[in-house]
Amino acid sequence: EVQLVASGGGFVQPGGSLRLSCTASGFTFDDYAMHWVRQAPGKGLEWVSGISWNSGSIDYADSVEGRFTISRDNAKNSLYLQMNSLRTEDMALYYCAKDHTGGTDSDYGYFDSWGQGMLVTVSS
Amino acid sequence: DLQMTQSPSTLSASVGDRVTITCRASQSIRSWLAWYQQKPGKAPKLLIYQASALQSGVPSRFSGGGSGTEFTLTISSLQPDDFATYYCQQYNTYPGTFGQGTKVEIK
Repeated sequence: EVQLVASGGGFVQPGGSLRLSCTASGFTFDDYAMHWVRQAPGKGLEWVSGISWNSGSIDYADSVEGRFTISRDNAKNSLYLQMNSLRTEDMALYYCAKDHTGGTDSDYGYFDSWGQGMLVTVSS
Repeated sequence: DLQMTQSPSTLSASVGDRVTITCRASQSIRSWLAWYQQKPGKAPKLLIYQASALQSGVPSRFSGGGSGTEFTLTISSLQPDDFATYYCQQYNTYPGTFGQGTKVEIK
């Protein structure tokens, strides 16, 4: 059974930093691209960032480009999102999600498994 | 970015009803469309991919159709467990974009 367990959310003031982690099990982690998708309170889903199986392709939404960094450690079956210069509009539930493909050359697909979501609160 | 528009935003229906949700793309996405179901406080769940392929374990009352720019998600006989919000997502063009969601409520 695929499991994605996220950690690292919490409260931070505007301008602060947080690092999210997502630990995967139940599948061959280094075969698949991974993503972060967020959902602001009462709003819809927004793709944030994606990384291919070998970290050869890394992509960001315009809204987080230059502030967020996605990475992965295939030896640890883990995905990360370093979030810097956080803004109030970044406040959301952050989900890690597994792509159904490897994501080579940013050729991402649909998301066939999702983690439980981590709440990031940005407020003064 | 490619835009995805769902209609309606909210749908009121009764158990046993046939329900159809529409998703329109601002340009052709061929058949590269997925549908997700999300219940309050839960992560989204994949229902359908490639416009009409049913994800393993998803009940057969769910079906998807369409290609190009217009797509549908149909629930043939609405069950109590189906009251949720549904999202479409295109993955033809990077970055994959979601529709704004359709909430299916109890009538």
